[in-house]
Amino acid sequence: GAGVSQSPSNKVTEKGKDVELRCDPISGHTALYWYRQSLGQGLEFLIYFQGNSAPDKSGLPSDRFSAERTGGSVSTLTIQRTQQEDSAVYLCASSFSRGSETQYFGPGTRLLVL
Amino acid sequence: GESVGLHLPTLSVQEGDNSIINCAYSNSASDYFIWYKQESGKGPQFIIDIRSNMDKRQGQRVTVLLNKTVKHLSLQIAATQPGDSAVYFCAETLEYGNKLVFGAGTILRVKS
Repeated sequence: GAGVSQSPSNKVTEKGKDVELRCDPISGHTALYWYRQSLGQGLEFLIYFQGNSAPDKSGLPSDRFSAERTGGSVSTLTIQRTQQEDSAVYLCASSFSRGSETQYFGPGTRLLVL
Repeated sequence: GESVGLHLPTLSVQEGDNSIINCAYSNSASDYFIWYKQESGKGPQFIIDIRSNMDKRQGQRVTVLLNKTVKHLSLQIAATQPGDSAVYFCAETLEYGNKLVFGAGTILRVKS
């Protein structure tokens, strides 16, 4: 079946603008995660959704970042008033149920804030 | 090994040789460990995993070793091929955890 998909694949924006990044998880996966990867760095956890439970937002770096997951499937990560330090690859992953099961990653959205 | 910022450790091996990539994980309570491979411009790809009740697990051409005493994880790749060139990340989580904690990554370069 299809893997995790993300859109757009690349996004260039100006400082101060808002951006929305989309993730379509693998069908049937109830857990969805967002990570951020800065140039040459490892992956940094941002937020986790599991079914209808309240999301774990502990990794969001500031209140400019938010995410939602509609209908238990598609998720949108929104960054308001983007800053240059927000430039990174934003990766989405999904797993069947919880974090201790294999997480499958999408190709990422490469965000560049000018 | 561990590194900071752009200076990821690099392992260069000759095609056909075996590769060993090491990782020191951070949380002694972690129960589940995964190795991911990331090629340029792509998302991380699952390679192999291991749970804390095991110390070795083998896959196709890959073996993961876990030493909980010293919080060390290693990935062995047999007969390394040019297609194995990538950045390799170890990741850890708790059994009922909800996020992966990733290591900094190691660049593997395979010379033909």
